[in-house]
Amino acid sequence: DQQVKQNSPSLSVQEGRISILNCDYTNSMFDYFLWYKKYPAEGPTFLISISSIKDKNEDGRFTVFLNKSAKHLSLHIVPSQPGDSAVYFCAASAKGGSEKLVFGKGTKLTVNP
Amino acid sequence: GAGVSQSPSNKVTEKGKDVELRCDPISGHTALYWYRQRLGQGLEFLIYFQGNSAPDKSGLPSDRFSAERTGESVSTLTIQRTQQEDSAVYLCASSLNGWGGKNEAFFGQGTRLTVV
Repeated sequence: DQQVKQNSPSLSVQEGRISILNCDYTNSMFDYFLWYKKYPAEGPTFLISISSIKDKNEDGRFTVFLNKSAKHLSLHIVPSQPGDSAVYFCAASAKGGSEKLVFGKGTKLTVNP
Repeated sequence: GAGVSQSPSNKVTEKGKDVELRCDPISGHTALYWYRQRLGQGLEFLIYFQGNSAPDKSGLPSDRFSAERTGESVSTLTIQRTQQEDSAVYLCASSLNGWGGKNEAFFGQGTRLTVV
């Protein structure tokens, strides 16, 4: 039972354009959401998070949007850079983030120069 | 070191053998987690240690899997009688105070286990 779903296994965009990575969840108890970024042969690194009391959180080129009614969140990267090429994992947690993280399968982003 | 350290980085073992994977968390981090990632899959939760609390073992896939943690330091994940489906990257992470808000989890580079 996949509680966190990233339906696009891969995404390719041109440098300078916007990258939009999507994530859907099924567990209505999830109230804290995170994005992790992973380069090959490295562990995932935290990128940005959002609490369910917000619908948007911005950090530099990265913005996460949360639509609670649709159980959907997205990560926007603007402008995209070749160094952003990596696998991006969406993760969710319940009880204000105090429960274990449940991860999606990841989306491989390729930013072409 | 400053980050989470895992060893070995790669391990090839024969089916039926036991393996031990090691994780050195960031000093001072009370919470430690093990995840695994099989090919083409997401990160699968295995086990969670938080301070002196009983570990959350709800993610361990079978009784062949076990993990220990000595105080708030090193953890070992043991897989007995390995099977080919155990082949995966095993990731360890630690955080200052467990899950919760901005308690960011820092991951190690992982141990790639191949069972032949």
